[in-house]
Amino acid sequence: NAGVMQNPRHLVRRRGQEARLRCSPMKGHSHVYWYRQLPEEGLKFMVYLQKENIIDESGMPKERFSAEFPKEGPSILRIQQVVRGDSAAYFCASSWDRRDQPQHFGDGTRLSIL
Amino acid sequence: AQKITQTQPGMFVQEKEAVTLDCTYDTSDQSYGLFWYKQPSSGEMIFLIYQGSYDEQNATEGRYSLNFQKARKSANLVISASQLGDSAMYFCAMRVAYRGSTLGRLYFGRGTQLTVWP
Repeated sequence: NAGVMQNPRHLVRRRGQEARLRCSPMKGHSHVYWYRQLPEEGLKFMVYLQKENIIDESGMPKERFSAEFPKEGPSILRIQQVVRGDSAAYFCASSWDRRDQPQHFGDGTRLSIL
Repeated sequence: AQKITQTQPGMFVQEKEAVTLDCTYDTSDQSYGLFWYKQPSSGEMIFLIYQGSYDEQNATEGRYSLNFQKARKSANLVISASQLGDSAMYFCAMRVAYRGSTLGRLYFGRGTQLTVWP
């Protein structure tokens, strides 16, 4: 079974460009979560999605950031007009619809802003 | 408010010894889950162990065990017989229900950097 797949692994953008991060959940998982990790810190929640629905976006900045999980295809985290402060590791996780099951994480996308 | 606290920024242990990584949590929810993840220097997040708030027995997974003390709101990770490959950052995390759902986001602590020396 393939795990959670994130791509690209590394992404470099210049200030003002758009960044698109992709996440394919584990087979059978219908819940997707995005987290951001700054250096020397734990993971901070951004958004929780199910197919075609945003369930909880309380951790996502109101401007420039958006996320989707379409009926077909991967989940996308989009950052428009990137700034230096967006440099971080972005992790996607997925899970089954069961309380006792963990969230399984992808290897992350390291975003660097020049 | 939900909160996870890991008070040990760094821990050192000699190979083959046991080590305990501390984690305390704060929530007013009665139903919640506690998780430990390992993040090696390569950066991926590896799930280690889970404890449900209604589980009466402490969780165990191989060399990992979770010392769950509900009244004290602590969920310490015990690693027995440490190995050099255990050197990594360890994160404690909590999940509570979101708006009546059984699922929700994870709240993470700041992590503990474990170094195992020969």
